[in-house]
Amino acid sequence: QKEVEQNSGPLSVPEGAIASLNCTYSDRVSQSFFWYRQYSGKSPELIMSIYSNGDKEDGRFTAQLNKASQYVSLLIRDSQPSDSATYLCAGVPLGSAGNMLTFGGGTRLMVKP
Amino acid sequence: DVKVTQSSRYLVKRTGEKVFLECVQDMDHENMFWYRQDPGLGLRLIYFSYDVKMKEKGDIPEGYSVSREKKERFSLILESASTNQTSMYLCASLGNGAFFGQGTRLTVV
Repeated sequence: QKEVEQNSGPLSVPEGAIASLNCTYSDRVSQSFFWYRQYSGKSPELIMSIYSNGDKEDGRFTAQLNKASQYVSLLIRDSQPSDSATYLCAGVPLGSAGNMLTFGGGTRLMVKP
Repeated sequence: DVKVTQSSRYLVKRTGEKVFLECVQDMDHENMFWYRQDPGLGLRLIYFSYDVKMKEKGDIPEGYSVSREKKERFSLILESASTNQTSMYLCASLGNGAFFGQGTRLTVV
């Protein structure tokens, strides 16, 4: 099993809907997670971090961490066409002393007008 | 805001050339990384550095070397560029999460 896994998509949602992006992680990853947005041809941009079990909200974005089930989610409310991008989930490998991130392969999100 | 700056946005080099990709960060971060990203393959770690003059191989170091003479600067070197090194190269600096430069799209012809 990869350390951090994501469905490559594409995930297609209509404008105004809630987009739900999911990420699962292995026992080799500690419970600090980051979500990145990457537009085509651009570099990844950090949008959310989450360290504790539960939800963390920032504007239209909500990150959810479920330690028991080993998954992390990113919800995007009122999705806009400008949210169309690839979303990367990243975690901290155990034993790395926080000096490393391991990335999932990314989920491509398409928001249709 | 953290700023990570890569020296070039686009580069075209010839096979066999020695290529230098430069990266500078302004947040006094200790950890810096070089990745390449290719369609369908995700981010792949080439090298990383956790201190000045320290370097560690990542998952795909072959054909590359790095230099970290100053804390803020991390350079990636392609010793003899080959066409299979055509890719998007991304530098990152690690604080509370990783912060990426704008990327260098390198084409080797």
